[in-house]
Amino acid sequence: SYELTQPPSVSVSPGQTASITCSGDKLGDEYASWYQQRPGQSPILVIYQDKKRPSGIPERFSGSNSGNTATLTISGTQAVDEGDYYCQARDNSGYVLFGGGTKLTVL
Amino acid sequence: QVQLQESGPGLVKPSETLSLICSVSGDSISTYYWSWIRQTPGKGLEWIGYIYYSGSTKYKSSLKSRVAISVDTSKNQFSLTVTSVTAADTALYYCARGVTVAGAHYLDYWGQGTLVTVSS
Repeated sequence: SYELTQPPSVSVSPGQTASITCSGDKLGDEYASWYQQRPGQSPILVIYQDKKRPSGIPERFSGSNSGNTATLTISGTQAVDEGDYYCQARDNSGYVLFGGGTKLTVL
Repeated sequence: QVQLQESGPGLVKPSETLSLICSVSGDSISTYYWSWIRQTPGKGLEWIGYIYYSGSTKYKSSLKSRVAISVDTSKNQFSLTVTSVTAADTALYYCARGVTVAGAHYLDYWGQGTLVTVSS
């Protein structure tokens, strides 16, 4: 079955750039989305269609998707960006998939 | 502003049926896709399935034999049933709105989630 693989954790210093990857076979042929989940809260969509930001999401969030890897990049990371991040795609059979999630720590 | 609210029993006995409702406000349910997702405490997100307002459905393969999602357009609600539950079905259950455009599918609005515990 199709799977999306994320690193369990990523650490970044405040003000630096954080990159979170999501790997899947030919993922670049599908559209990827990204969700932020702060502790005790529901997930929030931060990137859709690989690189689009919903209204209200800061410009420091950006996305890319090519080959087998989608990447969420957070520029000028702030403490408020700490949380879990999940990638999501839909395979060519229409099934929705989530990556295992990445815990972002801002040290 | 679109809002989704899950409701249903917080405790279900093993082998019984779990039933949840998602009430949608701020938008008509008669468009978009409507998904259920669950999250085991401390773990990741698991997509359960979705329904299109027309009634067509798609379920995660491993859950397909026990899951059903239905929609009630007159009440602007959709619902989830999971039969023959076990402790492995204990989770925080979310409902969400799904958008499909140009081949992409993403979940732009989520409910706050409701915790369901399976225990005797």
